[in-house]
Amino acid sequence: DADVTQTPRNRITKTGKRIMLECSQTKGHDRMYWYRQDPGLGLRLIYYSFDVKDINKGEISDGYSVSRQAQAKFSLSLESAIPNQTALYFCATSGKDREGSSYEQYFGPGTRLTVT
Amino acid sequence: AQSVTQLDSQVPVFEEAPVELRCNYSSSVSVYLFWYVQYPNQGLQLLLKYLSGSTLVKGINGFEAEFNKSQTSFHLRKPSVHISDTAEYFCAVITGFQKLVFGTGTRLLVSP
Repeated sequence: DADVTQTPRNRITKTGKRIMLECSQTKGHDRMYWYRQDPGLGLRLIYYSFDVKDINKGEISDGYSVSRQAQAKFSLSLESAIPNQTALYFCATSGKDREGSSYEQYFGPGTRLTVT
Repeated sequence: AQSVTQLDSQVPVFEEAPVELRCNYSSSVSVYLFWYVQYPNQGLQLLLKYLSGSTLVKGINGFEAEFNKSQTSFHLRKPSVHISDTAEYFCAVITGFQKLVFGTGTRLLVSP
């Protein structure tokens, strides 16, 4: 089974609809992240969480909200979707590894969201 | 603020030829650098990382990168590419608070 899973993998929704993207991890990591990927722009950080009670805005948080329901679960919500939120969304996690560093991030397979 | 520049948006190369994908970063403090690869319709996978120590870092699939502090560069190299190396490659740097800042990516296109 994959260490970081995202649901749904693909979603088409209409402008104004509320949508939630979910992320779960089995790596036991304390840190979780949400990014969006747009062609030519790379990945940009939306929100990040260093533990269940710690939520922080990233570079492009406007129009998004998050919830850290448990150490293993981090969901991203679009309260009222708009077409320019059409993108590929990635969840990632990080934590201590065997070398002791906590810098490497592990990515989920992504959710392709289309807002019409 | 730290940033990452990948000047080449696309690099075409023939199979078995060498390749270099360029990455420059800006930072006034110690940096931790990464290269990730994204194969079509997949998530990102770590190729290699530089945290400290030897400036030549070897990664998976025959890739390596050299950390050059004076030139603030972390270029990715492979002596002989395969068709299967066709993918998008992202350079990234850790900021304070352990946030990754990504470059805009370089698409490597390997043709027969």
